[in-house]
Amino acid sequence: GQNIDQPTEMTATEGAIVQINCTYQTSGFNGLFWYQQHAGEAPTFLSYNVLDGLEEKGRFSSFLSRSKGYSYLLLKELQMKDSASYLCQASGAGSYQLTFGKGTKLSVIP
Amino acid sequence: DAGVIQSPRHEVTEMGQEVTLRCKPISGHDYLFWYRQTMMRGLELLIYFNNNVPIDDSGMPEDRFSAKMPNASFSTLKIQPSEPRDSAVYFCASSYGQGGGTEAFFGQGTRLTVV
Repeated sequence: GQNIDQPTEMTATEGAIVQINCTYQTSGFNGLFWYQQHAGEAPTFLSYNVLDGLEEKGRFSSFLSRSKGYSYLLLKELQMKDSASYLCQASGAGSYQLTFGKGTKLSVIP
Repeated sequence: DAGVIQSPRHEVTEMGQEVTLRCKPISGHDYLFWYRQTMMRGLELLIYFNNNVPIDDSGMPEDRFSAKMPNASFSTLKIQPSEPRDSAVYFCASSYGQGGGTEAFFGQGTRLTVV
């Protein structure tokens, strides 16, 4: 089975940096996704990590440590539009066992 | 492509009634997923198909739930009979390629309310 934990809520100030953590326990881990979901909308893909290390994509970066079962999403230069839920999803190797965390609701304040 | 298309966007039904949710995946995608999202449980995978064949339905909560994919461009999720605890947002998503490394594209969801 799979278990994914992430904080329920976070608040950060516009222009700041925020790190959203995700820990996972899974059998047959393949890689880890991050999705963004604005209220009332569908999740949209942000990043995918399969190897250890940091993947940078503009203002957003994602980090993975396979040995520690740990990932984080780093958002820089926060904007009001970054207020959303951020979902961590572990992918199981060899099958499509895809488990989402419950999401972290990020509120960006002026 | 217009993306993943789901219908209806909203559905209100009475307990005991049959509910059918519909999904058109992105053309060329070979994986299709049905998810359910609630505040309490988050986003849960119900079932997924590969090339129209159901691969894993272990997330389907009960026999009241069934899903079909008669062809590459259409899938349904049916609840019969519906119960108030089935109230949730149901998402359909599709992706291309094997393994776990390809992103899923989600439809806008169907908000189901069972009264």
